[in-house]
Amino acid sequence: GAVVSQHPSRVICKSGTSVKIECRSLDFQATTMFWYRQFPKQSLMLMATSNEGSKATYEQGVEKDKFLINHASLTLSTLTVTSAHPEDSSFYICSAPRPGSDGEQYFGPGTRLTVT
Amino acid sequence: AQKVTQAQTEISVVEKEDVTLDCVYETRDTTYYLFWYKQPPSGELVFLIRRNSFDEQNEISGRYSWNFQKSTSSFNFTITASQVVDSAVYFCALIPNQAGTALIFGKGTTLSVSS
Repeated sequence: GAVVSQHPSRVICKSGTSVKIECRSLDFQATTMFWYRQFPKQSLMLMATSNEGSKATYEQGVEKDKFLINHASLTLSTLTVTSAHPEDSSFYICSAPRPGSDGEQYFGPGTRLTVT
Repeated sequence: AQKVTQAQTEISVVEKEDVTLDCVYETRDTTYYLFWYKQPPSGELVFLIRRNSFDEQNEISGRYSWNFQKSTSSFNFTITASQVVDSAVYFCALIPNQAGTALIFGKGTTLSVSS
């Protein structure tokens, strides 16, 4: 079964509103989680690294004030897209490395965001 | 630079044909991890294989096989006797240096298998 869940799986919101996406590790604790964005027919691009107990680390070109990340607990990271615009419409995927593993990572099923 | 190149953007084959998806990576690290993922239309990534830099053994899993060659920095993926269900986007990815860091993905190869 899935070991990383995301909620919601799909969301449609109006331009200017905010939307929150949750990423949960189900069978393990994750001090670090990663958020990726995938535009249609493109690859996954890392947006930010979510760190439990400290600030997220954002990749170059990702607005930290627009994409708020909160690693609330060892099993939950949230990504909030604030003041969403149609160009934020994308597929957002989170992942978490399995603790103590040899590079193993678990991916969530993704959240498809459509901003109208 | 850390980079993954999948030169083939799209490949179309007919069922039962063999097909190889190419992947070339760049990293200065001596320890790294390589992956292949399948992404069907649903969007959810399906893990296929993970390989660390010290394990150059090729691997076969059913109709899937992987050829890891450090000398050419390649990690190619072959599907034997392709099936329509193999149609998807396939991503090669790299974790440089430490396990537990984010993956660097190639641009992906879209494989279409027709009957």
